[in-house]
Amino acid sequence: AQKITQTQPGMFVQEKEAVTLDCTYDTSDPSYGLFWYKQPSSGEMIFLIYQGSYDQQNATEGRYSLNFQKARKSANLVISASQLGDSAMYFCAMREGEAGGFKTIFGAGTRLFVKA
Amino acid sequence: EAGVAQSPRYKIIEKRQSVAFWCNPISGHATLYWYQQILGQGPKLLIQFQNNGVVDDSQLPKDRFSAERLKGVDSTLKIQPAKLEDSAVYLCASSSGGTGTPEQFFGPGTRLTVL
Repeated sequence: AQKITQTQPGMFVQEKEAVTLDCTYDTSDPSYGLFWYKQPSSGEMIFLIYQGSYDQQNATEGRYSLNFQKARKSANLVISASQLGDSAMYFCAMREGEAGGFKTIFGAGTRLFVKA
Repeated sequence: EAGVAQSPRYKIIEKRQSVAFWCNPISGHATLYWYQQILGQGPKLLIQFQNNGVVDDSQLPKDRFSAERLKGVDSTLKIQPAKLEDSAVYLCASSSGGTGTPEQFFGPGTRLTVL
């Protein structure tokens, strides 16, 4: 079974609008973490945002926010005021396990296209 | 602070040849990861080190892949012999393992083409 599911292979958004990238996860560990990374065409992986399973509030980092719905096991990324430079692949990832034995699993990614 | 360094950036080999990749993590980072990213897919963890020790190598094809992390710093990943399906980008990442956000910092990757 897929541990991390990103159901949108590609998304289009108009510049300056907001966009939501979906991510659902599956784990039986009570302690886990969720990440979003951006991968531009140049190939480097850029960390965007992190949400711990015990965090009470949704994480925010500038224009990025994570819509964490624990009961639904979803961790959607919201990008506000999209910019042309946001065009890239976006990966959702989950870290589960105990300290010293954490495992990180990535989803298949969503390619975001920002239109001018 | 310097980022994660990887070399070479590109490598083209023929099948059945061997190849090695090198990674230097961020200074002081205890955890080092090697990922394989096939075109159009997300990164797949091959091996994870905590200092010198292996934490997880469950997805490492051990009949042809090997990795080591000497003195808990630099790491090398080797493929011998290479197959066509090994064509991918090999990403190295490191994390501090301390308190705070447990983000992984990635290197630029090595793009391997097996002909």
